[in-house]
Amino acid sequence: GAGVSQSPRYKVAKRGQDVALRCDPISGHVSLFWYQQALGQGPEFLTYFQNEAQLDKSGLPSDRFFAERPEGSVSTLKIQRTQQEDSAVYLCASSSGPSGNTIYFGEGSWLTVV
Amino acid sequence: DQQVKQNSPSLSVQEGRISILNCDYTNSMFDYFLWYKKYPAEGPTFLISISSIKDKNEDGRFTVFLNKSAKHLSLHIVPSQPGDSAVYFCAAIPKSGSARQLTFGSGTQLTVLP
Repeated sequence: GAGVSQSPRYKVAKRGQDVALRCDPISGHVSLFWYQQALGQGPEFLTYFQNEAQLDKSGLPSDRFFAERPEGSVSTLKIQRTQQEDSAVYLCASSSGPSGNTIYFGEGSWLTVV
Repeated sequence: DQQVKQNSPSLSVQEGRISILNCDYTNSMFDYFLWYKKYPAEGPTFLISISSIKDKNEDGRFTVFLNKSAKHLSLHIVPSQPGDSAVYFCAAIPKSGSARQLTFGSGTQLTVLP
């Protein structure tokens, strides 16, 4: 498709389980962002890639969170040893440049940790 | 500490009337502001933006006003339509910043009643 694609759309994980969330950005977009959106809140920045380089990971909440984009296209956000507070929607976005108005969001991966 | 605040979690407006969504910010370094619209189970989509060198930007039925001295911006939708019912997020980027520094408010659920 033409938009940002995320999978899985919904994931229920048992506490302590590892999860991997995938993002397929718009073809040719060099910038890729991950956001976390808790219930009733706005999206919060997690990490940013320019091509395969992770230029900013200041928003990752703990060392249990890890993101990669090895070939500069598809990205994976991995959460190890999930905790209940990790329950949120994880949004991926891509853009062809740095300006905010060119960011295109995916539909999100809804993670529930039980 | 929330740097971008949307103090009204919800707003209901009659079809054809004006919808006014408000946003306040605390960081005086913010100089580019955006509004995103989000339907259920979809990612946010860019709606309209404004630079701090302007106090108004208009795009069809949507107008954003910026009052820098009050650190306040608002989104006006005239006339409101049922299809405008969605969550609206205000977001801001600091001077010399980029999309990775987007800071979102917590959103306002707009319901346009037919």
